[in-house]
Amino acid sequence: QVQLVESGGGVVQPGASLRLSCAASGFTFTNYAMHWVRQAPGKGLEWVAVISYDGSHQFYADSVKGRFSISRDTSTQTVSLQMNSLKSEDTALYFCAKDGRVGSTTGRSADHWGQGTLVTVSS
Amino acid sequence: QSALTQPASVSGSPGQSITISCTGTSSDIGHYNSVSWYQHYPGRAPKLLIFDVTNRPSGISSRFSGSKSGNTASLTISGLLTEDEADYYCSSYTTDTTLVFGTGTRLTVL
Repeated sequence: QVQLVESGGGVVQPGASLRLSCAASGFTFTNYAMHWVRQAPGKGLEWVAVISYDGSHQFYADSVKGRFSISRDTSTQTVSLQMNSLKSEDTALYFCAKDGRVGSTTGRSADHWGQGTLVTVSS
Repeated sequence: QSALTQPASVSGSPGQSITISCTGTSSDIGHYNSVSWYQHYPGRAPKLLIFDVTNRPSGISSRFSGSKSGNTASLTISGLLTEDEADYYCSSYTTDTTLVFGTGTRLTVL
């Protein structure tokens, strides 16, 4: 069965960096785009970024563009989110999610999700 | 990339049907048939209920159905069960090659 396990969350100060990881298993990793989605405390879901099935394309929400970078490693079946210049408004539970469409470059829907990893940005 | 608009809350009694709306623009819902719906219990992983406007993934009850008209998509839940009490989110692909989620709707089953 599909499993997505996020890690790397923690408490950091504004302006710091953090790298989140998502270990994927139970499906053909190289066939699917992967997303990061976040949920700030008491708020709704916010899409953050997607990386295409082959890693050739990455797309970002305006709120993180230029600060966050998504990547994938086929050898370890891991998706990562490098977060730089963190702000207090980046405080959220970050979910990794698998796209539902084989061979998608842009991603259209997330059919499996991890449990999330919590990022807190505070001085 | 403004969030899609959903009602903050809806309610219904067991056995009844409810509909949750999701309003976007001609750059997202109105442009693509790539609307999805998710069920989310706080503290747990969201679950995909509907993709591509009307399609249900394997294992999702037929009580959940989706539709779209113009810039507005809808999720209907029929035969409400107490276990349906959760948060529901829509999402759509956009002309900016991004995804956008709705503001979320809290369903209360009275």
